[in-house]
Amino acid sequence: GEEVAQTPKHLVRGEGQKAKLYCAPIKGHSYVFWYQQVLKNEFKFLISFQNENVFDETGMPKERFSAKCLPNSPCSLEIQATKLEDSAVYFCASSQFTGVGNEQFFGPGTRLTVL
Amino acid sequence: GQNIDQPTEMTATEGAIVQINCTYQTSGFNGLFWYQQHAGEAPTFLSYNVLDGLEEKGRFSSFLSRSKGYSYLLLKELQMKDSASYLCAVNRDDKIIFGKGTRLHILP
Repeated sequence: GEEVAQTPKHLVRGEGQKAKLYCAPIKGHSYVFWYQQVLKNEFKFLISFQNENVFDETGMPKERFSAKCLPNSPCSLEIQATKLEDSAVYFCASSQFTGVGNEQFFGPGTRLTVL
Repeated sequence: GQNIDQPTEMTATEGAIVQINCTYQTSGFNGLFWYQQHAGEAPTFLSYNVLDGLEEKGRFSSFLSRSKGYSYLLLKELQMKDSASYLCAVNRDDKIIFGKGTRLHILP
């Protein structure tokens, strides 16, 4: 597609439940990035993929967060046993290239609320 | 490590000019982005500076000084629709590190 698509738009989970978010990058883009934005403030980088391979996962909380980008499927970000502090908007972005000049196109985000 | 600093909030008047500053300290610097984010929406790309100097794009201009670790975004002829958060972001080793953003309020 011409835009990054994210589903669902909103997700509500009780503390301890699992949450799964999906992202379809722009067609032809090889790189996918996940960010967490808490309370309209700072973006926190979580993980990036080059096609189906993890490119950089230095931002991922390893214990409860996992992500995949499989061929012919939307990318996914999964949070096991959600906590209150996981409440945030999760943005996915994609880019055609990396390195100098990469412009990342952002999806509309998924707002996760943990109660 | 990396530090990216920009003012939390600014206010300007419709039709005026405003400059939003950003300072950064980071290793592996490749370039600097400015993104605009309206409330409840995704960030949209405004500019990307790799070399020192000023780049103009319509009403928006962005400046970079790599030796000083400094950038600014200049908005001219402000319109009410420019009310948004403006995010300074550094391209560091193929990863984009965002600042906390500057919330710009435009008064009529």
